[in-house]
Amino acid sequence: SQTIHQWPATLVQPVGSPLSLECTVEGTSNPNLYWYRQAAGRGLQLLFYSVGIGQISSEVPQNLSASRPQDRQFILSSKKLLLSDSGFYLCAWSGGAGVAGELFFGEGSRLTVL
Amino acid sequence: GEDVEQSLFLSVREGDSSVINCTYTDSSSTYLYWYKQEPGAGLQLLTYIFSNMDMKQDQRLTVLLNKKDKHLSLRIADTQTGDSAIYFCAEGSQGNLIFGKGTKLSVKP
Repeated sequence: SQTIHQWPATLVQPVGSPLSLECTVEGTSNPNLYWYRQAAGRGLQLLFYSVGIGQISSEVPQNLSASRPQDRQFILSSKKLLLSDSGFYLCAWSGGAGVAGELFFGEGSRLTVL
Repeated sequence: GEDVEQSLFLSVREGDSSVINCTYTDSSSTYLYWYKQEPGAGLQLLTYIFSNMDMKQDQRLTVLLNKKDKHLSLRIADTQTGDSAIYFCAEGSQGNLIFGKGTKLSVKP
């Protein structure tokens, strides 16, 4: 069966510090991978998606970047965090045998920037 | 661009029915989805409806789709305290979904 893991689950970082959130998927190959951010009052915002190794599409301009060094690994990074980067970050994948277009989400990483 | 709108809060009493409404703009979506997010967790697909259907029933859940008005609703019968969560409406295809802001359902005993 397929599983998705993301870590760390909770992170408190000072403004200006770097960020690295990691996500891995098991039990499937060549998944589409996504990073979403859930900020209070703003719902779920798609940040990046990837259809293959090294292929990253950005939905909104921002202080963050994403990389996909391996087929089932997706990393969200920042060189210098801003207060506005605080939020709940969700990794997801699609392409499984379930409902067409269904997304499978990780448990999330809560980032607080102070 | 595409947009999905839903009310932010809904409060019901245990045993009552809950109805969560959603409007969307992209009429080309193949599926429309309802996802559920429990506190501190990721989202899970709750149910979905194919765009050429009007209604889908799955145990306590009923999804109604009005394509003319681009209106989607989720009805939860006999709402339980375990149904307390945030419910997201979503549209799209190929995994590139547009989500609403989520409706927080509170169930009071």
